[in-house]
Amino acid sequence: DGGITQSPKYLFRKEGQNVTLSCEQNLNHDAMYWYRQDPGQGLRLIYYSQIVNDFQKGDIAEGYSVSREKKESFPLTVTSAQKNPTAFYLCASSTYGQGARSDTQYFGPGTRLTVL
Amino acid sequence: GDSVTQMEGPVTLSEEAFLTINCTYTATGYPSLFWYVQYPGEGLQLLLKATKADDKGSNKGFEATYRKETTSFHLEKGSVQVSDSAVYFCALSDLSSYKLIFGSGTRLLVRP
Repeated sequence: DGGITQSPKYLFRKEGQNVTLSCEQNLNHDAMYWYRQDPGQGLRLIYYSQIVNDFQKGDIAEGYSVSREKKESFPLTVTSAQKNPTAFYLCASSTYGQGARSDTQYFGPGTRLTVL
Repeated sequence: GDSVTQMEGPVTLSEEAFLTINCTYTATGYPSLFWYVQYPGEGLQLLLKATKADDKGSNKGFEATYRKETTSFHLEKGSVQVSDSAVYFCALSDLSSYKLIFGSGTRLLVRP
């Protein structure tokens, strides 16, 4: 079955440590996205990538970094510079540039990060 | 900039009641509009979408109509079930970058 996988489901980090969240998709989608969700709030865009080896900052990129070396993978690193990293992180993917309505995003199950 | 506004929750209903969750948007042009659903501890699932004015999206008994004149995309269901309890997000797709802009979500609780 095609889909998006995120690992791990739960992640605990000590203050001052960097951690990397995994996101893999086998939908052959060009575009991938990372969102952050805080309790009782909507989703905020961290980074997105529309093509391999290229990515753009979203609305809250400070303290985060990404890479896009392969089409199917878009890992997110939460660095020690992120002041309040405890949150639920969601990865998504979509087709891109293949038609006027290639804009539906499909989401993974999420990773819950807790800073101890 | 573009934005989405949803009614605040929680919305509490009895089983088989009629559901409406209001969503209005501000955008230039004619974005696509979406409803996503999130069950506890899970990611978002696409519930329905509409891509142009007067389109009606529907899925699993839920419906929403793209109303350009009122810039709205209200979610409705004629008879809710306990299993519909979840958080519902309205979103629009930015036409230039394909980024999704989300509302803050509305929690629905359906009691037996």
